Amino acid sequence: DSGVTQTPKHLITATGQRVTLRCSPRSGDLSVYWYQQSLDQGLQFLIQYYNGEERAKGNILERFSAQQFPDLHSELNLSSLELGDSALYFCASSLDARPYEKLFFGSGTQLSVL
Amino acid sequence: DAKTTQPNSMESNEEEPVHLPCNHSTISGTDYIHWYRQLPSQGPEYVIHGLTSNVNNRMASLAIAEDRKSSTLILHRATLRDAAVYYCILIRGANSKLTFGKGITLSVRP
Repeated sequence: DSGVTQTPKHLITATGQRVTLRCSPRSGDLSVYWYQQSLDQGLQFLIQYYNGEERAKGNILERFSAQQFPDLHSELNLSSLELGDSALYFCASSLDARPYEKLFFGSGTQLSVL
Repeated sequence: DAKTTQPNSMESNEEEPVHLPCNHSTISGTDYIHWYRQLPSQGPEYVIHGLTSNVNNRMASLAIAEDRKSSTLILHRATLRDAAVYYCILIRGANSKLTFGKGITLSVRP
């Protein structure tokens, strides 16, 4: 158990809908990262937050947004969903954003868009 | 951010050592080399990291070339549970984009 909690574990929805994925980082971790993993693209970095502020952005679509709340949990919002958004979404956390800190990953949310 | 290059796959026999290579020819002086692995149906997990010197922990060893343009993850005695995708990534600082790529798939034969 990494200590990172992601909910829900599975999500099935239809095209055009909007969903919210939730991540609770390990206790004390200030930095949260979101990743998308699909079969053909590998593990793609989406966005990073540190203590409530956005720190780094990857190839995150404009239809996707995220935030980190004062209690440090984070949410990833996916809107106008398309079939291609079906993927496994991982959240990771680290103590802070220093380059030698380990990342701890949750078990992921499997999103299926039908 | 600097990129890493890994072979797509590698096979090993159980209880034999495994050397997983990673090239990072554009590495900068402040980049840390991290290795993570992802077992089937699980999230990635940390394996080891280093900056310049070789590193050992209970899971593996990390050998870093003197010019730091390549590194090798060493599993001293592979077990069936080590079959996973192994990712080599470079982390520079607070704003690193931490791109994992596709990693190397390790298969372990009984």
